[in-house]
Amino acid sequence: LAKTTQPISMDSYEGQEVNITCSHNNIATNDYITWYQQFPSQGPRFIIQGYKTKVTNEVASLFIPADRKSSTLSLPRVSLSDTAVYYCLVGRDNYGQNFVFGPGTRLSVLP
Amino acid sequence: DADVTQTPRNRITKTGKRIMLECSQTKGHDRMYWYRQDPGLGLRLIYYSFDVKDINKGEISDGYSVSRQAQAKFSLSLESAIPNQTALYFCATSDRGGGGNEQFFGPGTRLTVL
Repeated sequence: LAKTTQPISMDSYEGQEVNITCSHNNIATNDYITWYQQFPSQGPRFIIQGYKTKVTNEVASLFIPADRKSSTLSLPRVSLSDTAVYYCLVGRDNYGQNFVFGPGTRLSVLP
Repeated sequence: DADVTQTPRNRITKTGKRIMLECSQTKGHDRMYWYRQDPGLGLRLIYYSFDVKDINKGEISDGYSVSRQAQAKFSLSLESAIPNQTALYFCATSDRGGGGNEQFFGPGTRLTVL
């Protein structure tokens, strides 16, 4: 499994764009990059997933450079309710393979 | 996510007791997982099941056992609970579909072992 590295914590203010970068130097050819969000005492919630280039949904954008050794989760115009822990996971849907949740990035959005 | 339910939501027990945590899902997914989360840490995989007849150990299976009673039900047991098993436990499900692995999590069970 590809190991991921992301900042332990980040602070932002309401209305700003937040970019959280994840490093995954050992990503394999068939691995996907997935981001989850977790609020206190709740289960993680899927945000976005991608394989290469850029993916955008109603919640976030995911930027993946050509070498795929890193990825950036972009949250546009954050609000206080975006305060959560964000996890970057790398893996593939294959029998016996699983995602590994590291400590994540604790995002605090300030008023 | 109401499609994945866990019971109980909170449980306090004593060292040496046998505890069962239950997970049910209505998503029709084949794959189910049990994780534990300790304060300030990420989730660690305990066991996973890709179908009713398939059970696999995860990263930290020692001290735990599981049962996949049906496609929709996956139970986690602590045969003899110990204090360092105090944690937040999550059940998750995923579909067999290709291209990544989105998992859907239950609300969690907070277990305290005294």
